[in-house]
Amino acid sequence: NAGVTQTPKFQVLKTGQSMTLQCAQDMNHEYMSWYRQDPGMGLRLIHYSVGAGITDQGEVPNGYNVSRSTTEDFPLRLLSAAPSQTSVYFCASSYSGGRASTDTQYFGPGTRLTVL
Amino acid sequence: GQQLNQSPQSMFIQEGEDVSMNCTSSSIFNTWLWYKQEPGEGPVLLIALYKAGELTSNGRLTAQFGITRKDSFLNISASIPSDVGIYFCAGQRGAQKLVFGQGTRLTINP
Repeated sequence: NAGVTQTPKFQVLKTGQSMTLQCAQDMNHEYMSWYRQDPGMGLRLIHYSVGAGITDQGEVPNGYNVSRSTTEDFPLRLLSAAPSQTSVYFCASSYSGGRASTDTQYFGPGTRLTVL
Repeated sequence: GQQLNQSPQSMFIQEGEDVSMNCTSSSIFNTWLWYKQEPGEGPVLLIALYKAGELTSNGRLTAQFGITRKDSFLNISASIPSDVGIYFCAGQRGAQKLVFGQGTRLTINP
């Protein structure tokens, strides 16, 4: 098992550019989510999905789109990048999103994004 | 948005010392989690707590779920150099998203 994989590892964008951060998991997990991590802020939830075809907004969804066409993949799209979106982005997955008492969220290695 | 209050923000200790950090919230959570993050990596789960009052250990780590369900603490005994990193608490309700604390950065002097 590769676990949760994210690409790219680093990215620099200019203001207004668009891009897609990729996330994939090979554990057949139902629940996937995207977080951003900023200094002194911990991790904040952007969007999440409880299964293929189902997505919902988290705490800080503005400026980001997601889709979940397969169980394995959960891409995050920035439609028009802004400097405020400079951050480290983490994708996570879990079997049931916390319904089971033994559930665990597994995090990917992160994508470090800089918007100039 | 809602965040947990985690303290201290940073700690500088000598190898062998014990460490204690905690998280508090104005809201009740059904689950408390403690993660560790090392440079260039995602958070890794250390301990999960599912019942108010629960005390759980994982090696030298001990964590407790507060009786009010609004707080949790993590203790690390006899710290070693590989304990260095950022520790995050997270609260969860049912099948909902995690809410993270701001993190505690642990530095250890050998």
